Amino acid sequence: AQRVTQPEKLLSVFKGAPVELKCNYSYSGSPELFWYVQYSRQRLQLLLRHISRESIKGFTADLNKGETSFHLKKPFAQEEDSAMYYCALRVYSGGGADGLTFGKGTHLIIQP
Amino acid sequence: GAGVSQSPSNKVTEKGKDVELRCDPISGHTALYWYRQRLGQGLEFLIYFQGNSAPDKSGLPSDRFSAERTGESVSTLTIQRTQQEDSAVYLCASSLIRGFTDTQYFGPGTRLTVL
Repeated sequence: AQRVTQPEKLLSVFKGAPVELKCNYSYSGSPELFWYVQYSRQRLQLLLRHISRESIKGFTADLNKGETSFHLKKPFAQEEDSAMYYCALRVYSGGGADGLTFGKGTHLIIQP
Repeated sequence: GAGVSQSPSNKVTEKGKDVELRCDPISGHTALYWYRQRLGQGLEFLIYFQGNSAPDKSGLPSDRFSAERTGESVSTLTIQRTQQEDSAVYLCASSLIRGFTDTQYFGPGTRLTVL
């Protein structure tokens, strides 16, 4: 079965510093990887996905199949980035895609 | 338009009672998903619907859990004879289709507390 690991429960950095939230996965096939974010008192929402290869709110994430990682990065953190971040994986099974497998999340705190 | 809605937002029940949680997906979304998040844990996938069909129920934690969906609209997750370990936030998500890269839109969740 697939698994997603986010080793840091809490990450605190100062405003303007670089941020890297780690995510490793285990799956023998080719999964789809996502980062979801949950701001305080808001619902869980998609931040970005690996297949799009886009930058959202200054965040980027590159899928490294050799290291089975999908780390989330931002060069200069902003206070509004403070939130819970979840890495998620989705696999394709016959007939369609199944539910997402989530990591336990990393609470990112940006200090002023 | 409106996003995914869930009701109730909070539910406190006594051990042994049955509870019913409701999810209203985004209009036109054919796929619907239920997840559970226990305190300090990641989201755990429970079940999905494509239309009103749920092909794989193996993610449901026990036979006390069941889910139904009416057409391509409302879904209910029922937990019978609740136990304290059922306490969690139950999240519902919907997507346009059950596609590999299709975006899942999440509801606000129902916080269930079993005393």
